[in-house]
Amino acid sequence: NFMLTQPRSVSGSPGKTVDISCTRSSGSIARNYVQWYQQRPGGAPTLVIYEDNQRPSGVPDRFSGSIDSSSNSASLTISRLETEDEADYYCQSYGSDTLNWVFGGGTKLTV
Amino acid sequence: QVRLVESGGGVVQPGTSLTLSCAASGFSVTSIGIHWVRQAPGKGLEWVAILASDESSEFYADSVKGRFTLSRDISKNTLYLHMKILRNEDSAVYYCATIGGHWGQGTLVTVSS
Repeated sequence: NFMLTQPRSVSGSPGKTVDISCTRSSGSIARNYVQWYQQRPGGAPTLVIYEDNQRPSGVPDRFSGSIDSSSNSASLTISRLETEDEADYYCQSYGSDTLNWVFGGGTKLTV
Repeated sequence: QVRLVESGGGVVQPGTSLTLSCAASGFSVTSIGIHWVRQAPGKGLEWVAILASDESSEFYADSVKGRFTLSRDISKNTLYLHMKILRNEDSAVYYCATIGGHWGQGTLVTVSS
């Protein structure tokens, strides 16, 4: 299986934009869809992006996802930052068995 | 409304067994695969296992392979994670989750002597 590497932490001011990267160690990032989860302290993860760039209903359009084949990475972009966005964010893709999940190490966002 | 509720966690000694339950509502456990994911205290998410919707496939993380097994009871619409030979490093909050992004609230397993 490959690994997904995320920065340990990022920060941004309210109203600004931050990007969180997720780099795949081997194999193309485009080979398997990437999902992004938000986890607030004490809570379960919630899905904010699925299939690379799709937003579940109820997720603000301030959240967007993309993939970049040149850097073999996926990115979560959060614009117009709000204090409630402060949380841990995890990227997730699919492993060699197709059904198994691979998670990034998580990124702590401080607003 | 899709809902997942985990139960069965607790404090157990190393080397013992424990079974966790994931009760589903709002959908059938035969319609979609359900994953188990765990999170050790202060750590990140770790994928544990998945049972395919038709039970044709089940996959396990290397860290639990040979010790953890999955089963389900269709009549109860519930998935089970049977854990044996538990180790200190199995201590974590265990979540069940669907591919559609639905997660339960988790159940805490503490393995300690």
